[in-house]
Amino acid sequence: EDKVVQSPLSLVVHEGDTVTLNCSYEVTNFRSLLWYKQEKKAPTFLFMLTSSGIEKKSGRLSSILDKKELFSILNITATQTGDSAVYLCAVEGLNQGAQKLVFGQGTRLTINP
Amino acid sequence: DTEVTQTPKHLVMGMTNKKSLKCEQHMGHRAMYWYKQKAKKPPELMFVYSYEKLSINESVPSRFSPECPNSSLLNLHLHALQPEDSALYLCASSQVVQGQTYEQYFGPGTRLTVT
Repeated sequence: EDKVVQSPLSLVVHEGDTVTLNCSYEVTNFRSLLWYKQEKKAPTFLFMLTSSGIEKKSGRLSSILDKKELFSILNITATQTGDSAVYLCAVEGLNQGAQKLVFGQGTRLTINP
Repeated sequence: DTEVTQTPKHLVMGMTNKKSLKCEQHMGHRAMYWYKQKAKKPPELMFVYSYEKLSINESVPSRFSPECPNSSLLNLHLHALQPEDSALYLCASSQVVQGQTYEQYFGPGTRLTVT
């Protein structure tokens, strides 16, 4: 059975700190790994990773994938209170010819001023 | 435009009611999805439509009935639900190009309460 495990489940830091969120996975027919940020309602897309060792960057956020060790990290530098959210990691496997995302439990990140 | 819209935002229904959730996107995406999300849990996939055809049904009870009338619309028909079906129902869509599926964009969800 496909499985995605995120750690830590919860993290509280001060504004300005740097955080690293972890995601490990086991999935058959791996296609990609995605990171989402969920505040109150809809998860919003952050990154999609398909190749090992290539860092994706967007402002203060960056992410990298290791397909050999089956994990990914999401880094946030110079954190701000607006970064407080649940960060979801999802892995895409190919199932019956269609994309299927399996989500991890999420990391609840709280940034204190 | 990366918007997926869902209606209604909130829905309260009794166990004998019949209601429908609606989802719409105008991004030309050919894959659409229904997820169920309980409080403090990640989204769980329910159904996947690819080119308006149902391609994945994750063993969802028949009281949930999906429908994809065209490439922009996705419905979820609800009938005889149970209180444990109360959850946030999320719709998503993604682009498909030459068999390659890209990132999913989520709608804001419908908060469903079954009484």
